[in-house]
Amino acid sequence: QKEVEQDPGPLSVPEGAIVSLNCTYSNSAFQYFMWYRQYSRKGPELLMYTYSSGNKEDGRFTAQVDKSSKYISLFIRDSQPSDSATYLCAMRTPLTGGGNKLTFGTGTQLKVEL
Amino acid sequence: DAGVIQSPRHEVTEMGQEVTLRCKPISGHDYLFWYRQTMMRGLELLIYFNNNVPIDDSGMPEDRFSAKMPNASFSTLKIQPSEPRDSAVYFCASSRYRVYEKLFFGSGTQLSVL
Repeated sequence: QKEVEQDPGPLSVPEGAIVSLNCTYSNSAFQYFMWYRQYSRKGPELLMYTYSSGNKEDGRFTAQVDKSSKYISLFIRDSQPSDSATYLCAMRTPLTGGGNKLTFGTGTQLKVEL
Repeated sequence: DAGVIQSPRHEVTEMGQEVTLRCKPISGHDYLFWYRQTMMRGLELLIYFNNNVPIDDSGMPEDRFSAKMPNASFSTLKIQPSEPRDSAVYFCASSRYRVYEKLFFGSGTQLSVL
């Protein structure tokens, strides 16, 4: 079993829809929880990160963490065609040598159609 | 800032050949990471450096893979000899000390081994 599970999609929604993207994880040592967005033929870029259980909002994006269920979500309101990308969840564990290790989900491909 | 710069963008080679991927991190970043991305396995951490020193190479799949960071502004990932199963997108990422969550990724090198 992978440490982080994410539905690969593709997920296709009409413009203006609310999008829900989800990940489950198995490692209780995971601390920070992040969402990265990756456009085609580009590297991932950080969208949001959160530490504690609960919600964190940034514009049209809301990240939700439920540590008791080991479940995280990203909600996108009023989705736009420019939101079409692959969304990767990521989770951090500290490394003994310093720094940290990010474990990524495989990503969910989202397409927002006009 | 120009961001993380990787070269080449695309590499097509034949099985058995040596492949060298290059990365220039963002100036001032203390950590450098090499990741590999495939559809099946997603983003996998291969190795990371702190202040030019390799800290954890447990993700390097085999002895055929090696990485170096001779100075703060340059790193290489070498595969010798290459095999078709090495075909993937290889990303370099960097981050500042204590800002672990935000990795800055390059645009990646698409490697195809025939």
